[in-house]
Amino acid sequence: NAGVTQTPKFQVLKTGQSMTLQCAQDMNHEYMSWYRQDPGMGLRLIHYSVGAGITDQGEVPNGYNVSRSTTEDFPLRLLSAAPSQTSVYFCASSPRLNTEAFFGQGTRLTVV
Amino acid sequence: DAKTTQPNSMESNEEEPVHLPCNHSTISGTDYIHWYRQLPSQGPEYVIHGLTSNVNNRMASLAIAEDRKSSTLILHRATLRDAAVYYCILRAYGGATNKLIFGTGTLLAVQP
Repeated sequence: NAGVTQTPKFQVLKTGQSMTLQCAQDMNHEYMSWYRQDPGMGLRLIHYSVGAGITDQGEVPNGYNVSRSTTEDFPLRLLSAAPSQTSVYFCASSPRLNTEAFFGQGTRLTVV
Repeated sequence: DAKTTQPNSMESNEEEPVHLPCNHSTISGTDYIHWYRQLPSQGPEYVIHGLTSNVNNRMASLAIAEDRKSSTLILHRATLRDAAVYYCILRAYGGATNKLIFGTGTLLAVQP
């Protein structure tokens, strides 16, 4: 019962470095999303995908890229990390619209 | 996207019922009402969702006002494990996205 798996769980980056946050789901869900959560705030949508090969921007897409080459994987790329990207990142998937979304356990990213 | 309004925090005693309110006066006819909760240091967890009729599941009940401008999440017997942030979210049906737009939620404290 893996569900939604995010790696790594923790990461420290230096300003300007790039990295990829991994997200994989084994439930054959069409829809996948990335959110960030800053202290004391709700989650904000970064990017989402409604199926393999299809992605779109959410509320706060600047500084992030995504791709969806397979149904299972939806990686989030930070092109040039900035301290403002220090946050907890959550990946989610759901089988279709208006059904339960399943979230991963999060990746805590610190940019120094 | 239609917005929701929730109290910042609520308190309850263990074993007692809890009623968590949510106002969504700008809800449209195609918006579903979703509830998620987030336990400390975890990803959000689906609780329940509905459109017009009241809904029950093993975790909670959702009471939806007749005009749909408000709803109430009911935890029938609060436990210490129910201490979390509860998010009320409107999710549009039939659109091309699966966006969940989170607000700041209600922090529920449960006293033993």
